[in-house]
Amino acid sequence: GESVGLHLPTLSVQEGDNSIINCAYSNSASDYFIWYKQESGKGPQFIIDIRSNMDKRQGQRVTVLLNKTVKHLSLQIAATQPGDSAVYFCAEKGTDMRFGAGTRLTVKP
Amino acid sequence: DSGVTQTPKHLITATGQRVTLRCSPRSGDLSVYWYQQSLDQGLQFLIQYYNGEERAKGNILERFSAQQFPDLHSELNLSSLELGDSALYFCASSVAWGERAQYFGPGTRLTVL
Repeated sequence: GESVGLHLPTLSVQEGDNSIINCAYSNSASDYFIWYKQESGKGPQFIIDIRSNMDKRQGQRVTVLLNKTVKHLSLQIAATQPGDSAVYFCAEKGTDMRFGAGTRLTVKP
Repeated sequence: DSGVTQTPKHLITATGQRVTLRCSPRSGDLSVYWYQQSLDQGLQFLIQYYNGEERAKGNILERFSAQQFPDLHSELNLSSLELGDSALYFCASSVAWGERAQYFGPGTRLTVL
């Protein structure tokens, strides 16, 4: 069936480095792709989204890239900070929201 | 703080029992979503209500039901509980029914013994 998944379950980066979190999707009919951040003990928090007819969108310290040819989505975090440590989920929005398995980002001081 | 509140924070119950989880959306939000987060299934969409009406249904079991009241708060009812129902249950809200930016509450951790 259709699914949203993540390439890597864990990612460890040095404070100040850039982070790239990847996601593969299979439903080409999704209207939007979204990234959420979930800190320990909290609910997911919306970070940024991208419409399916775009290939890049930038936010504050974050950039989302969409490659529809290979059905790949990535989240780039610039100058990663300890507060960025969390689990990051990609999600696709069609008639409902489907979340990927999540990648745990750990930022080393 | 997202502005979405959920009660209770923790719930421990036995198999076969019934529980009710409560959610109050952000002020002004008309849409409420329920999600289940477990270790083996990840974050799964259950059901969505918009202004009191069911709008979308996901992987919600027949033993589970939900409703949204005139004051826009929502309740998720889980009955005939099984061990596998142990999970975090999140409520989220958004202004409209098709919003990508959903605001999640802190969740209710349900443990079925």
